[in-house]
Amino acid sequence: ETGVTQTPRHLVMGMTNKKSLKCEQHLGHNAMYWYKQSAKKPLELMFVYNFKEQTENNSVPSRFSPECPNSSHLFLHLHTLQPEDSALYLCASSQGLVWDEQFFGPGTRLTVL
Amino acid sequence: GENVEQHPSTLSVQEGDSAVIKCTYSDSASNYFPWYKQELGKGPQLIIDIRSNVGEKKDQRIAVTLNKTAKHFSLHITETQPEDSAVYFCAASIGNFNKFYFGSGTKLNVKP
Repeated sequence: ETGVTQTPRHLVMGMTNKKSLKCEQHLGHNAMYWYKQSAKKPLELMFVYNFKEQTENNSVPSRFSPECPNSSHLFLHLHTLQPEDSALYLCASSQGLVWDEQFFGPGTRLTVL
Repeated sequence: GENVEQHPSTLSVQEGDSAVIKCTYSDSASNYFPWYKQELGKGPQLIIDIRSNVGEKKDQRIAVTLNKTAKHFSLHITETQPEDSAVYFCAASIGNFNKFYFGSGTKLNVKP
């Protein structure tokens, strides 16, 4: 595997389900990000982790819970989501936090019924 | 916070023509401006970036210009090819921190 991988690629869940999104980067980077991409809206930064420490929470509802066990893996735990949470969730990584290129994964297409 | 506006939302050009996408930003403290290309089913990929101490940067058929006074920056693609068809996003970043504010995207269609 190379670059940034995300699993699953597609996920359908009910509002009462609990699921997790997984992201793995094979680039040796130190920072990882979660973004939400909704139709016809700008990419929204959700969380930033640097060296496993959360450095940014962009006022994300608590039904989204991130976890970063090490610099290579990032999870997004989902519970009691709403239909408006349906979107493409993108993971990215960068070497550091200073003007560094962010490398994106292909995303997980989430549908909440 | 920063607000980035991007125009047009869709752009259709004939192969070989030039394409221009424009973005404006609101916070004069923004000092890093990357452009990303997103193809169908893929995540965005950096194609070019510019820092606030530079007015123009070029990489083969792609160029970016920055006007700090007017707070706008533009992406120029010359000699467009069908494989340039994608969604393009501009972004602005404030300070020495990788927090990007993205524009809403431009869907570019290059007709053969």
